[in-house]
Amino acid sequence: AQKVTQAQTEISVVEKEDVTLDCVYETRDTTYYLFWYKQPPSGELVFLIRRNSFDEQNEISGRYSWNFQKSTSSFNFTITASQVVDSAVYFCALSQETSGSRLTFGEGTQLTVNP
Amino acid sequence: GAGVSQSPSNKVTEKGKDVELRCDPISGHTALYWYRQRLGQGLEFLIYFQGNSAPDKSGLPSDRFSAERTGESVSTLTIQRTQQEDSAVYLCASSLAFWRTGRPGTGKTQYFGPGTRLLVL
Repeated sequence: AQKVTQAQTEISVVEKEDVTLDCVYETRDTTYYLFWYKQPPSGELVFLIRRNSFDEQNEISGRYSWNFQKSTSSFNFTITASQVVDSAVYFCALSQETSGSRLTFGEGTQLTVNP
Repeated sequence: GAGVSQSPSNKVTEKGKDVELRCDPISGHTALYWYRQRLGQGLEFLIYFQGNSAPDKSGLPSDRFSAERTGESVSTLTIQRTQQEDSAVYLCASSLAFWRTGRPGTGKTQYFGPGTRLLVL
């Protein structure tokens, strides 16, 4: 079985603050893939990052960074110097090698960045 | 290039009617997926196509739901005898076949369409 938990339902910050979105996953597979998607008010899911379980390095992309910790089964997402345009629902998702290609999503975290 | 497209963008129907939702995947993507998102919730997997076959239909909630895909392209999700609990956003996604990708895991990345908002009155 696979499961993704995003314990933070809503987060509100002021512009320029750093914010971390938590994601904890459960899987029995040794090969798996983790994703973050952004869903702005328009509703379309935008792919942000894929992390393979066998990769070594953490990722940074501009103001975004991701911290993968196998020991704690976590894949947290940090936005540095947040902006109003970062306001959206963010979803963490998991794909296991043994369960085909389906994605299992967390419940999402609503991030609001206030000016 | 063009992304995943879905039609209609919105659909209002009466309880008991049948509806068809359409998905056009990204050109060259042989894998296609349907998900459902109820208001304020995460996404639930419905069905997955590889080419024209559906190796995983385990997420379809009842026998009122069916899907098909033709020509390794367009897919149609059909809901028969709609119920009010079917009201949701239905999202389609596509991805590259694994054998066409260079880097491990690339074929696992799914790209989503804008969704069809279904309201059953």
